[in-house]
Amino acid sequence: EIVLTQSPATLSLSPGERATLSCRASQSVSSYLAWYQQKPGQAPRLLIYDASNRATGIPPRFSGSGSGTDFTLTISSLEPEDFAVYYCQQRSNWRLTFGGGTKVEIK
Amino acid sequence: EVQLLESGGGLVQPGGSLRLSCAASGFTFSSYAMNWVRQAPGKGLEWVSSISGSGLSTYYADSVKGRFTISRDNSKNTLSLQMNSLRAEDTAVYYCARATSLHWYCDLWGRGTLVTVSS
Repeated sequence: EIVLTQSPATLSLSPGERATLSCRASQSVSSYLAWYQQKPGQAPRLLIYDASNRATGIPPRFSGSGSGTDFTLTISSLEPEDFAVYYCQQRSNWRLTFGGGTKVEIK
Repeated sequence: EVQLLESGGGLVQPGGSLRLSCAASGFTFSSYAMNWVRQAPGKGLEWVSSISGSGLSTYYADSVKGRFTISRDNSKNTLSLQMNSLRAEDTAVYYCARATSLHWYCDLWGRGTLVTVSS
């Protein structure tokens, strides 16, 4: 089973700052990685798929990069609504796995 | 409107059973694989099970294999999860999620239904 490790666990930033979130896979997942955002009391929302493609309706301040085992989600300038938990996810061998999440909190 | 709506959650004793349902609307249900994903209180996301669009192929996490059964009725646009031999560690919000065609990313989620396993 491929394990996804996200870092840091918590990121404390101010609105307007740049956020850089990391997701590392225990073995190569090529570019088949997604990122989700989850706010308290809400279902997750797909942000990025195939490592770097924004999902429908996702603003351009969200970008994804990486391939193989190392991936990054960047939020170029944090808006108040961006403070949330972010998860990466991959599928291999007919099973999905999620990373443990990174909480982006207001500093 | 494109949406998913889960139902069937509740309080159940350890060893008991529960059946979750997910009603889909606004899209061609049979064209999509579907996933169940759960989230224990205060924890991260955990994949539970997936089913192909036709319903012929099913997949399970090791933690639920042999206890949970995923199924779908494409004539009723409904996804189901039959959960047997429930344990305290199955306590979670259960989400149904639509899977994209190629790599099964979850591009549409329901609001979730809470399952609590406790005596």
